Formats: sequence, C-alpha cells, structure tokens
Amino acid sequence: NAGVTQTPKFQVLKTGQSMTLQCAQDMNHNSMYWYRQDPGMGLRLIYYSASEGTTDKGEVPDGYNVSRLKKQNFLLGLESAAPSQTSVYFCASSYGTGVRSPLHFGNGTRLTVT
Amino acid sequence: RKEVEQDPGPFNVPEGATVAFNCTYSNSASQSFFWYRQDCRKEPKLLMSVYSSGNEDGRFTAQLNRASQYISLLIRDSKLSDSATYLCVVGRGWSNAGNMLTFGGGTRLMVKP
Repeated sequence: NAGVTQTPKFQVLKTGQSMTLQCAQDMNHNSMYWYRQDPGMGLRLIYYSASEGTTDKGEVPDGYNVSRLKKQNFLLGLESAAPSQTSVYFCASSYGTGVRSPLHFGNGTRLTVT
Repeated sequence: RKEVEQDPGPFNVPEGATVAFNCTYSNSASQSFFWYRQDCRKEPKLLMSVYSSGNEDGRFTAQLNRASQYISLLIRDSKLSDSATYLCVVGRGWSNAGNMLTFGGGTRLMVKP
C-alpha cells in the first residue's frame, strides 16, 4: 500500500518550459488536492478535485492546469514555467470531508525554475 | 493580517523540557482545528485534531480558545524525535476537506540532547 505517490521528486525547468507533475493514490480516496509550499508561508491550495472528473480552483491557480481523468490520478500542469513557480509541490488526498478523514500527503516535488 | 499566524521559531529546547506553541486565527467563523507535523524535507502528517474542550494524546495536549481565537499545542517531556515543524491548520467549516483548510507557516522545534 503505497499511499500517495508523486513524480518526479526533483525537477529543474527553464523559464517558459512546460511540464506535468504526476500524483497517484491507491487508497480509493474521492478527493485530491495540489498545494505549493514556500518558505515562511503555509501550504497554499492550487487546485482540488472533489471527485473523478471534477476540478476546482484553489487560492493560487494562475499558471497551472489540472486533470482528474481517473479516480486514482491527479495531474498538475505548468503551462509556461516562471521563476515565481519555484516551490515544493505537495499532492494530497482524502476519503471524505469529515474530521475523521485527514489529508494524506505525497512526499513532494521540488521544482526550480531558472 | 494572515488568516493563520504562527511564531516561526525555532524553539530550541533540551530533552525532557515542556514546550508550548500558540497559533492565532482571524476568521471567527472557523469551526475545525488541527495540528500537523512536518519533518525536514518531508510531507505534513496529521498530529491531532483540536476539540473545543481540549484534548490530549500521550505527551501532546491541544487547547482551543475561541474567545481569543487561538489554539495551542503543549509537548511534555520533549524527545529528540519531536524535532520538526508544527503546522497549525484551521478549517472554515466543520470539514477537513483540503479546500476548506488554511495552513499556518509553521513553528520549528529543535530538541537538543
């Protein structure tokens, strides 16, 4: 039981390049999320998906896109990378929305945009 | 003003010490509260939920003060393994759904031998 798996773990991009961050969960969770974490700041929600086939914007969606074609996968795309997108990206999932359905995080993707 | 504020620390304490962190939140309509733990270069993990009456889990005690809009985490008999960053998380409703949560910037704890 792997939990939440993110790939890649590290990535360096040049400004203007595009890429997709992959997230997979094997816990049959309904909800999935993408966060970014910057020094001194709390995790900020980029996009989320309450169920397969649905996605919604979070607090900081600009410059990103997402897809949830399968229940177990949630992809985060960077259309044209910018240095401001240098960050650590965490994918998370949860079964439901109750207090007893905590978030399970992947181990993160460290992205540097030069 | 940030929605959820924490002293970033670091708090440097000797093994065996008792240490307490506070976290303030600005949204008086907040209904759910949590502490997450994040080890260096790792992902956050839920440490404990915070209930209105306060709650304890082993050496960890969480308290909620709605009137002053803060939550606290007390760690007794600190262990080296407690060294981590502690994230205060506040929910805008009775939900733990990720889209309803606001994360604080974290308080770093370093326990020394």
